[in-house]
Amino acid sequence: KQEVTQIPAALSVPEGENLVLNCSFTDSAIYNLQWFRQDPGKGLTSLLLIQSSQREQTSGRLNASLDKSSGRSTLYIAASQPGDSATYLCAVNGPRRNTPLVFGKGTRLSVIA
Amino acid sequence: ETGVTQSPTHLIKTRGQQVTLRCSSQSGHNTVSWYQQALGQGPQFIFQYYREEENGRGNFPPRFSGLQFPNYSSELNVNALELDDSALYLCASSLEAGTTEAFFGQGTRLTVV
Repeated sequence: KQEVTQIPAALSVPEGENLVLNCSFTDSAIYNLQWFRQDPGKGLTSLLLIQSSQREQTSGRLNASLDKSSGRSTLYIAASQPGDSATYLCAVNGPRRNTPLVFGKGTRLSVIA
Repeated sequence: ETGVTQSPTHLIKTRGQQVTLRCSSQSGHNTVSWYQQALGQGPQFIFQYYREEENGRGNFPPRFSGLQFPNYSSELNVNALELDDSALYLCASSLEAGTTEAFFGQGTRLTVV
């Protein structure tokens, strides 16, 4: 059974700092890995999708990497801003294409002005 | 903002009652998945519909049921509500099950009293 762990559970940083969020999964036979952002009481906003054949994806100040063999992904946020404050969730699916997403519990990020 | 719309946004029900939650998927998406998110936890998979047929189910009892309509919108029905059913219910749509990016709605906050 796939399990996803996110470390740390919470993180507080000053504005402008670069930071890394970690995600690990127990079964390396994944199809996709997706990073989401969730504001309090709201739905999920997709940030980046990495297919199993890819090593990384970039969108603006965000960069996500994937090391499938070691069961790890990182989300790098450059020059953090107070508006980045949210919970960040990592999810994987696999090994077949129509399997559902399995989520971690998320990392709660606070960026202090 | 995604094209996935959920209704209602908030709901309060009494234990033992029945509830129906609705989801309008993004245009052109044929796959809808439902997730339950308890406070402080990651979303848990309930079930998935692909072209009007259920093609995956998580570890939820039969009193959780669903439908997908020809326009690919979907309903989640929960019978005999229990206090532990209080959660944020999230709907996600994707172009093809598991292979493409999943887009989530804003969720329905269900409170059972």
